[in-house]
Amino acid sequence: DADVTQTPRNRITKTGKRIMLECSQTKGHDRMYWYRQDPGLGLRLIYYSFDVKDINKGEISDGYSVSRQAQAKFSLSLESAIPNQTALYFCATSDFRGTSGGSSYNEQFFGPGTRLTVL
Amino acid sequence: RKEVEQDPGPFNVPEGATVAFNCTYSNSASQSFFWYRQDCRKEPKLLMSVYSSGNEDGRFTAQLNRASQYISLLIRDSKLSDSATYLCVVKADSNYQLIWGAGTKLIIKP
Repeated sequence: DADVTQTPRNRITKTGKRIMLECSQTKGHDRMYWYRQDPGLGLRLIYYSFDVKDINKGEISDGYSVSRQAQAKFSLSLESAIPNQTALYFCATSDFRGTSGGSSYNEQFFGPGTRLTVL
Repeated sequence: RKEVEQDPGPFNVPEGATVAFNCTYSNSASQSFFWYRQDCRKEPKLLMSVYSSGNEDGRFTAQLNRASQYISLLIRDSKLSDSATYLCVVKADSNYQLIWGAGTKLIIKP
């Protein structure tokens, strides 16, 4: 079973619709992140959360909101979707406490991604 | 200027060859460096961290040049399965955030 899951995997919606992307993890990590990936650009951070009570804006938070419902769940909402929010969205987790199973301190583990198209 | 820049490629390389590509970064305060691998339509996965002294993991060697502000990745005896996009990632220890390059696409041909 995947450690980081995302739903839905694909979504087509119309301009102005509210959309929620969900992320769940079984890795027991404190930190969770939402990124978007566009062709020709690096991953850009939308929001991040270091624990359930800690939510922070990333580089491109405008037009997005998040909710950390539990340590294992972090959802991303587009309140009123617009076409330039068409992108591949990734959720990621990391362990702040140092190494985890031999992995490096800063390693981020990604979900499979959600391909969102806004018409 | 982008904070992290990579040649997008694609690099078309015959199987068994050696290939290398670089990544430049603009923030001289950057302290941590990584290479991630991303297969087509899949999520990124950590390939290796890049240490000041350089590091090697099997056929992969990563180097850091602080003076010129770039990191490099060398792949020896390339395999078909090495075909992927390689993402350069930089972190300034003054904050948590990772800065991602757009990636270099590598295609290994039989």
